[in-house]
Amino acid sequence: GAVVSQHPSWVICKSGTSVKIECRSLDFQATTMFWYRQFPKQSLMLMATSNEGSKATYEQGVEKDKFLINHASLTLSTLTVTSAHPEDSSFYICSARRLADEQYFGPGTRLTVT
Amino acid sequence: AQSVTQPDIHITVSEGASLELRCNYSYGATPYLFWYVQSPGQGLQLLLKYFSGDTLVQGIKGFEAEFKRSQSSFNLRKPSVHWSVAAEYFCAVGGLYGGATNKLIFGTGTLLAVQP
Repeated sequence: GAVVSQHPSWVICKSGTSVKIECRSLDFQATTMFWYRQFPKQSLMLMATSNEGSKATYEQGVEKDKFLINHASLTLSTLTVTSAHPEDSSFYICSARRLADEQYFGPGTRLTVT
Repeated sequence: AQSVTQPDIHITVSEGASLELRCNYSYGATPYLFWYVQSPGQGLQLLLKYFSGDTLVQGIKGFEAEFKRSQSSFNLRKPSVHWSVAAEYFCAVGGLYGGATNKLIFGTGTLLAVQP
């Protein structure tokens, strides 16, 4: 149990376009979902925390208008990278947490902006 | 300030040898500590966690870790490594801090290579 999926696993987009990444908890209801960003050979940096039905809380330095997070249901959160640029290329990982439980991580989405 | 330090960026061990990966943390409250493993291009898999109680915790794949509050450390150990455990290992700390439940702070990772 506690499986988290992400879609797509890899996406290439042109500079200036927007791309949406989905994070789903497949067999549990996630009260909280987290979005992380990982640069090559570096650690995971928390971008934002989202609770179902409320606005996401962004970490310092993360542009909330560029990285739009929607947590519309207890099993789905989406991250939309708006007007993507090459510097947004990265590995994006989501995690989902049940109430009073640990985080379960998705397999990640590799975004390449050309 | 909250932080996690993994002083070894890259470690190489021989197959069958023992392994210890170091992790030190700085946290303003009771820490919850985690070790994760990440294979290339993959997400994170939880190896083990410490919330409270016995300071020596057992995890999956034969890993264990010991919480030492006096040293602010949570080192990961394995008595004998197999080539299949070559991956990147992340230590993380979280807890209830500033009202943010389970917000995790990750170390920079240790890349483990296993030589035959």
